[in-house]
Amino acid sequence: DVKVTQSSRYLVKRTGEKVFLECVQDMDHENMFWYRQDPGLGLRLIYFSYDVKMKEKGDIPEGYSVSREKKERFSLILESASTNQTSMYLCASTPGLDTQYFGPGTRLTVL
Amino acid sequence: GQQVMQIPQYQHVQEGEDFTTYCNSSTTLSNIQWYKQRPGGHPVFLIQLVKSGEVKKQKRLTFQFGEAKKNSSLHITATQTTDVGTYFCAGTRAAGNKLTFGGGTRVLVKP
Repeated sequence: DVKVTQSSRYLVKRTGEKVFLECVQDMDHENMFWYRQDPGLGLRLIYFSYDVKMKEKGDIPEGYSVSREKKERFSLILESASTNQTSMYLCASTPGLDTQYFGPGTRLTVL
Repeated sequence: GQQVMQIPQYQHVQEGEDFTTYCNSSTTLSNIQWYKQRPGGHPVFLIQLVKSGEVKKQKRLTFQFGEAKKNSSLHITATQTTDVGTYFCAGTRAAGNKLTFGGGTRVLVKP
């Protein structure tokens, strides 16, 4: 069965902290994605990766960076968290340009 | 950049009635996908449409891809309480490599 896991379901951080969100998939997928979801705005793509050590900016990369050292793991990093980064963060993986399999999400609150 | 718009943003439906949600892209798409997100859950893939004018059915759900491949619709007949959730469309631009999601239609069913 397909599985995408995220390190935390809920996270509370303070402004200025460095935040790591981890995503792991067990399907040997090439492509992995990080989205943030805000009410009325749908899912907005932050970064994606189509191979180990490869990354591409999505639509809203500002304030974020990513790391993909292993095929199964894709990390999202907030170098200095700000209150406007309070959101639901969703990771997804896909073998190609088709079905995206999503993780359960991390609800991040930045105080 | 590419934009995908969904209307309506909210849909209140009486149980047993039909409704339709619409998805419009600013650019021609190579494919369109639909996802459903239950309250508190993560998006789950429903279907992908690839061909111009394509129509696909899943039980009470009918999905259509426009002739110009710039719009799509999801029609649900005889709505049930299990249909509650947010429905997202997501399109890949022709020769593109990432999905752009619409803002979603949040469906509430009145018993």
